Amino acid sequence: SQTIHQWPATLVQPVGSPLSLECTVEGTSNPNLYWYRQAAGRGLQLLFYSVGIGQISSEVPQNLSASRPQDRQFILSSKKLLLSDSGFYLCAWSVPRGYEQYFGPGTRLTVT
Amino acid sequence: RKEVEQDPGPFNVPEGATVAFNCTYSNSASQSFFWYRQDCRKEPKLLMSVYSSGNEDGRFTAQLNRASQYISLLIRDSKLSDSATYLCVVNTKNSGYSTLTFGKGTMLLVSP
Repeated sequence: SQTIHQWPATLVQPVGSPLSLECTVEGTSNPNLYWYRQAAGRGLQLLFYSVGIGQISSEVPQNLSASRPQDRQFILSSKKLLLSDSGFYLCAWSVPRGYEQYFGPGTRLTVT
Repeated sequence: RKEVEQDPGPFNVPEGATVAFNCTYSNSASQSFFWYRQDCRKEPKLLMSVYSSGNEDGRFTAQLNRASQYISLLIRDSKLSDSATYLCVVNTKNSGYSTLTFGKGTMLLVSP
């Protein structure tokens, strides 16, 4: 069966510091991968999605970036965090051309 | 008009009650529809897909009305464990790939 991992589970970072969140998927090949953010009291916002290694599409321009160095690894990064980057970051996967998405446990980021 | 709109609730119901959630979507070209469940401070989990003919899974029934562009979820015989936020989700075409658009969710609180 497929599993998706995210780490760290929680993170407290000062404004201006860098960020690296990691997501890995097991039990499937060539998945579509997604990064979402859920700010307090708000809906899920799609940040990035990827259909293959090195292929990243950005939905919302901001100070975040994503990379996919391996088939089942997806990384979310920032060079300098803003207060507005606080939120619940969720990674998800789907089969290629599939619509159903399955989420990892998420990383709760607080920028102070 | 928001892409996916839901009544935020909360819906407060006693155990055993029947409760219905509605959701409207704006993109008439949308093809796939889902209900996800999100517990407090947890990741969303797929509850069920919504098919044109309507579908049922135990106490849960989902309906789709394409002409009116709305989706519904009916929960019968509510349990305490049904307390959660229910997210209405619609697929959206974007540059040749499909991504999911999430509503902000409807909160359900089931009391003894």
